[in-house]
Amino acid sequence: DQQVKQNSPSLSVQEGRISILNCDYTNSMFDYFLWYKKYPAEGPTFLISISSIKDKNEDGRFTVFLNKSAKHLSLHIVPSQPGDSAVYFCAAVLNTGGFKTIFGAGTRLFVKA
Amino acid sequence: DTGVSQNPRHKITKRGQNVTFRCDPISEHNRLYWYRQTLGQGPEFLTYFQNEAQLEKSRLLSDRFSAERPKGSFSTLEIQRTEQGDSAMYLCASSRGTGHSPLHFGNGTRLTVT
Repeated sequence: DQQVKQNSPSLSVQEGRISILNCDYTNSMFDYFLWYKKYPAEGPTFLISISSIKDKNEDGRFTVFLNKSAKHLSLHIVPSQPGDSAVYFCAAVLNTGGFKTIFGAGTRLFVKA
Repeated sequence: DTGVSQNPRHKITKRGQNVTFRCDPISEHNRLYWYRQTLGQGPEFLTYFQNEAQLEKSRLLSDRFSAERPKGSFSTLEIQRTEQGDSAMYLCASSRGTGHSPLHFGNGTRLTVT
């Protein structure tokens, strides 16, 4: 039962261009969404988040867009840098008292210099 | 903020043995989570503590798995009678006890069952 889906296992982008990572979810009870970045041999680290009552949140080069009607969110990175090369996980929070976070399978981003 | 610490980093064990992992969360964080990650997958939720109370357990957590957080600080995850299918990265995360605080992950314990 994959409630959070990242259908692109990998993405390759030229340095300086925009990276767009996509995520779909199925559970209407999710009320908060986050993106995490993971480098090899490290745990995931928080990148950016968005509440279900908003449709956009921006932090520097990173912007997350939420389309609730389509149950879709995306992460835009612009301009992309080689240091952005990592695995990106989309995550959604179920506020059932425990704020359980459900993760997608991840998208590996390669930014070519 | 010294980060979330997990020990050991790696554990190799023979099938049928018991293993125990430890997680030390960020000191002021009330919530502690255990996740499991296998190759090509995202972290899968196992269990969650609010202070010392274990509030939720995943169906993934069979009877062979038990987690504790005795004083609301560090936590242990024990796997009894390990099976090869238990081989995975076990991740611990903590967060503040307020609203939608993001998870802070440790670097994980990689378990290999031979």
